[in-house]
Amino acid sequence: QKEVEQNSGPLSVPEGAIASLNCTYSDRGSQSFFWYRQYSGKSPELIMSIYSNGDKEDGRFTAQLNKASQYVSLLIRDSQPSDSATYLCAVNLNSGNTPLVFGKGTRLSVIA
Amino acid sequence: EAGVVQSPRYKIIEKKQPVAFWCNPISGHNTLYWYLQNLGQGPELLIRYENEEAVDDSQLPKDRFSAERLKGVDSTLKIQPAELGDSAVYLCASSLGAGGSYEQYFGPGTRLTVT
Repeated sequence: QKEVEQNSGPLSVPEGAIASLNCTYSDRGSQSFFWYRQYSGKSPELIMSIYSNGDKEDGRFTAQLNKASQYVSLLIRDSQPSDSATYLCAVNLNSGNTPLVFGKGTRLSVIA
Repeated sequence: EAGVVQSPRYKIIEKKQPVAFWCNPISGHNTLYWYLQNLGQGPELLIRYENEEAVDDSQLPKDRFSAERLKGVDSTLKIQPAELGDSAVYLCASSLGAGGSYEQYFGPGTRLTVT
């Protein structure tokens, strides 16, 4: 049974702070890792993908992957109230078009 | 570039009635997915298509759910008859397919309420 675990939150951070979202996965053979943002009543929106160990930065977002620890994280710098949403971690086993296994998501609240 | 298109956006039906959802993927995307999302949960796969072929439908409740992707472009997901527990958001996603990007992009979803 492939599992992806996230703290459901809510995670509350003040505006301008760094938000740190964490995710662990059970299948050591997992190859591709994604972070989706989902606003209430909306569908998931892809914000980051990462395939190899280390950090990947895109604007205010940094994804970090540690395959040995089966851990992937998302850092949001200079958090804004508009970042308030649920962040879903998704993993797939192969580096291909296989279905994603999602965590339940972490709800982030950025307080102005 | 247009995103994944789904219709209807909302549907309210009585139990035991049939319902159908339609999805048009991003142009050029060969792989199409149908996911189901319950409140407070992440999306869960129902079926995956590579072009016209359903390559992963192990999670599709085949006694009441059916899907098709004629001509390898748009797709329809049907439930007949609907049950109260089918109330959820049905999400369609697409990706480029073999040799391309593995990133999956979601449509706006169809929120189904069964009364």
